[in-house]
Amino acid sequence: AQSVTQPDIHITVSEGASLELRCNYSYGATPYLFWYVQSPGQGLQLLLKYFSGDTLVQGIKGFEAEFKRSQSSFNLRKPSVHWSDAAEYFCVLNFGNEKLTFGTGTRLTIIP
Amino acid sequence: NAGVTQTPKFRILKIGQSMTLQCTQDMNHNYMYWYRQDPGMGLKLIYYSVGAGITDKGEVPNGYNVSRSTTEDFPLRLELAAPSQTSVYFCASRPQEGTGNTIYFGEGSWLTVV
Repeated sequence: AQSVTQPDIHITVSEGASLELRCNYSYGATPYLFWYVQSPGQGLQLLLKYFSGDTLVQGIKGFEAEFKRSQSSFNLRKPSVHWSDAAEYFCVLNFGNEKLTFGTGTRLTIIP
Repeated sequence: NAGVTQTPKFRILKIGQSMTLQCTQDMNHNYMYWYRQDPGMGLKLIYYSVGAGITDKGEVPNGYNVSRSTTEDFPLRLELAAPSQTSVYFCASRPQEGTGNTIYFGEGSWLTVV
């Protein structure tokens, strides 16, 4: 069955520290991969996406993600987080049809 | 750029009341979606549409209805509201070409049923 998993429900990091949010999927081929961010009380904004080509993808706000086929993963990273990065992050997959499948989200808290 | 516009942003309903959440997009997208978001559950697909006159059920369609008479509009109807429908609702759209195309979201509608 096709699925996407975000193993970390909540992560807390210090401002200025590095960040990695995990995303794993189950699918027989390479899906279309997205990371979205949702700030409190707001809608969802696209951070980055991967379809094919270079497996290291750069996004907005200094985020990047790396697609690893061997691990069925698409982890999101940022070298130095800012207080404004506190939000909920969703890994989202498209398995080649009209629908999207959302992970359950990872809530990121930033401490001074 | 208006993008995807949802109204209302906040609403309190009494049990058994009905209401319609409005959604319109100005990007000429064929695909439109309604999701609900419950705490810790991610987004669940309620209904979707691949074009005017065509709608289909998602994962959690019970208690809802939709219509798609135009490309721009995709209203979500709640009949006989129940407390279980307390949630945040998101409308979204994306172009048809290429199944991996970016999906654009509205800002959400917070609905409480009391």
